[in-house]
Amino acid sequence: DAGVIQSPRHEVTEMGQEVTLRCKPISGHNSLFWYRQTMMRGLELLIYFNNNVPIDDSGMPEDRFSAKMPNASFSTLKIQPSEPRDSAVYFCASSRPTGGITEAFFGQGTRLTVV
Amino acid sequence: KQEVTQIPAALSVPEGENLVLNCSFTDSAIYNLQWFRQDPGKGLTSLLLIQSSQREQTSGRLNASLDKSSGRSTLYIAASQPGDSATYLCAVNERSYIPTFGRGTSLIVHP
Repeated sequence: DAGVIQSPRHEVTEMGQEVTLRCKPISGHNSLFWYRQTMMRGLELLIYFNNNVPIDDSGMPEDRFSAKMPNASFSTLKIQPSEPRDSAVYFCASSRPTGGITEAFFGQGTRLTVV
Repeated sequence: KQEVTQIPAALSVPEGENLVLNCSFTDSAIYNLQWFRQDPGKGLTSLLLIQSSQREQTSGRLNASLDKSSGRSTLYIAASQPGDSATYLCAVNERSYIPTFGRGTSLIVHP
């Protein structure tokens, strides 16, 4: 398996533009996570899907952020409109919880810069 | 709410030293604990996973221990090398199956 695949790897956009980040989890994994990493706050969970259903979105900062998982092999995180404070590295991770074993695997991340 | 703390935040050592990185968590009702490595500008690579019923796991020069009752885990790196330079993060998994991360320990091993 190629692991968790994220695209794009880097994104530079102007304030106010819409940004869409994409993630393909590992085949067979039924849990998917979106995290944001900044120097100030470290790794923060944004949203967690299980079997394509959003279970916990309490970490989504505000209504400008939305996430979807239309099927087991694809998820998107959208920011509209984007702001400079959204600049961060966004990670997608997947796992397959089985009997308490929840080893998470991460993608390479998308480095977002909003100018 | 689970809180994960890693000490020290940064560490700089000469090559060859044996190292101990610490991770503590506030709620001991965890399923497992995972140690990750993150290189600058890269994603997270899983190093070791310790189940709540286990006390330690080993992989090469790495050994991770878990004391669930006291809410602590340590990552031991033997005979450190410059290639070990990276940020090391620990994450705990609870009933929610959502990994909660510490802020990491930034390690520099100089030749």
